[in-house]
Amino acid sequence: EVQLVESGGGLVQPGGSLRLSCAASGFTFSSYWMSWVRQAPGKGLEWVANIKQDGSEKYYVDSVKGRFTISRDNAKNSLYLQMNSLRAEDTAVYYCARPREVDDVLDYWGQGTLVTVSS
Amino acid sequence: DIQMTQSPSSVSASVGDRVTITCRASQGISSWLAWYQQKPGKAPKLLIYAASSLQSGVPSRFSGSGSGTDFTLTISSLQPEDFATYYCQQANSFPWTFGPGTKVDIK
Repeated sequence: EVQLVESGGGLVQPGGSLRLSCAASGFTFSSYWMSWVRQAPGKGLEWVANIKQDGSEKYYVDSVKGRFTISRDNAKNSLYLQMNSLRAEDTAVYYCARPREVDDVLDYWGQGTLVTVSS
Repeated sequence: DIQMTQSPSSVSASVGDRVTITCRASQGISSWLAWYQQKPGKAPKLLIYAASSLQSGVPSRFSGSGSGTDFTLTISSLQPEDFATYYCQQANSFPWTFGPGTKVDIK
């Protein structure tokens, strides 16, 4: 059974940093691109970042470029999101998700971890 | 960037009703479109991929159609468990983008 379990969320002050983790199991993690998607309270879904299987390609939504870094450790079956210079508008539930290889649809999602940026 | 719009933003319907949700892309995306269902406090769930293919395990009352810029999600006979918010998403090019969502609630 595919499982994605996020952790690392919490309350952080504006300008602060946080590192999210996603532990993957039930599939060959190193064979898949991986994604982060976020959802601000009461709002819609926003794709944040993608990383290729070997980490050689990364893509970001414009609003986080230069502040967030997606990374992975295939030996640990883990995905990460380093978030720096956090702003109030980064407050959201952050989901780890797996894009399916053949068509890039997000077929498995974690339960999400809440990041609150507030003083 | 490709912008995704959805209509209506919300719809009130009764059990057994047929519900149709429309999604439009700001430029052609061929069939690189997915539909997701999200219930409060839960992660989204994949319903439809490649615009019209039903994800395994999803009831056949859900169907999708369209290509290019205009797409639809249809629920043929609404069931109590279908009350949720529905999102379309394009994976044609980065940045991937979602529609703003359509909330289906009880009439």
